[in-house]
Amino acid sequence: GAGVSQSPSNKVTEKGKDVELRCDPISGHTALYWYRQSLGQGLEFLIYFQGNSAPDKSGLPSDRFSAERTGGSVSTLTIQRTQQEDSAVYLCASSLSSGSGSPLHFGNGTRLTVT
Amino acid sequence: TQLLEQSPQFLSIQEGENLTVYCNSSSVFSSLQWYRQEPGEGPVLLVTVVTGGEVKKLKRLTFQFGDARKDSSLHITAAQPGDTGLYLCAGVSGTYKYIFGTGTRLKVLA
Repeated sequence: GAGVSQSPSNKVTEKGKDVELRCDPISGHTALYWYRQSLGQGLEFLIYFQGNSAPDKSGLPSDRFSAERTGGSVSTLTIQRTQQEDSAVYLCASSLSSGSGSPLHFGNGTRLTVT
Repeated sequence: TQLLEQSPQFLSIQEGENLTVYCNSSSVFSSLQWYRQEPGEGPVLLVTVVTGGEVKKLKRLTFQFGDARKDSSLHITAAQPGDTGLYLCAGVSGTYKYIFGTGTRLKVLA
C-alpha cells in the first residue's frame, strides 16, 4: 500500500509569507506526528495527533505555527509570517496506534526555504 | 526536558571496518528504536528494543538496550558503502512520545 505522502516536496517562500504543508498518512493510522529537522540532524518534535485531536502541541515553536487534522486522515501544518529560522525539513510520520514501540512511518518531508 | 545524545556525531570509515554508535540519556525509556535516514528521504525503522539488556541482530547490525533502559548502542560489523546514512535513535516515553537523538552521520568509503 501507499506510504506517507507529503506535499510539496520543496517550498521556497519570502519572509513574512504564510505556508501550508500537507501530510497524507497511511490509511488506518490513527496517530500522526510532525517533526522538524535542521541541517540533517536530529528530529525536533512539533505536534502529535490522535485521531483529529492534538493532545500534545508542546513542540510548536511559536503561535505562528498551527496544525490541524481532519477526518482522522490528512493533516496540514501552517506557518504564518515565515521567518528565516523556519527554514528546515518538516517531516510527518504516522503510526497504527500510539503504543510503546509502534513503528513510525515517515514521509520524505517538505524542505522549506525562507528567503 | 528529555535528551538523547548520540556519539560520534560524524564517522567516516573504510569498507570492512567495524564501528559502534552510542545513544545516551539520563531518562528511562519504555523502549528504544533505531532509524536510518538517507538523503531526501524520511527515517526508516531498523529495530525496536524493549527489555533492559536486550540484544537484537539484523544481519551485520547488532543493537543493545542498556540494563537500565537509558542507553543503547548500534554495532556494525564489516561496514559496507550501503550502510552510509544518518542513524537516529529514538526513546519512547509514555504512550506516544518519541524523543529523537542528535544523529550520527556515517560514511563508508569503498
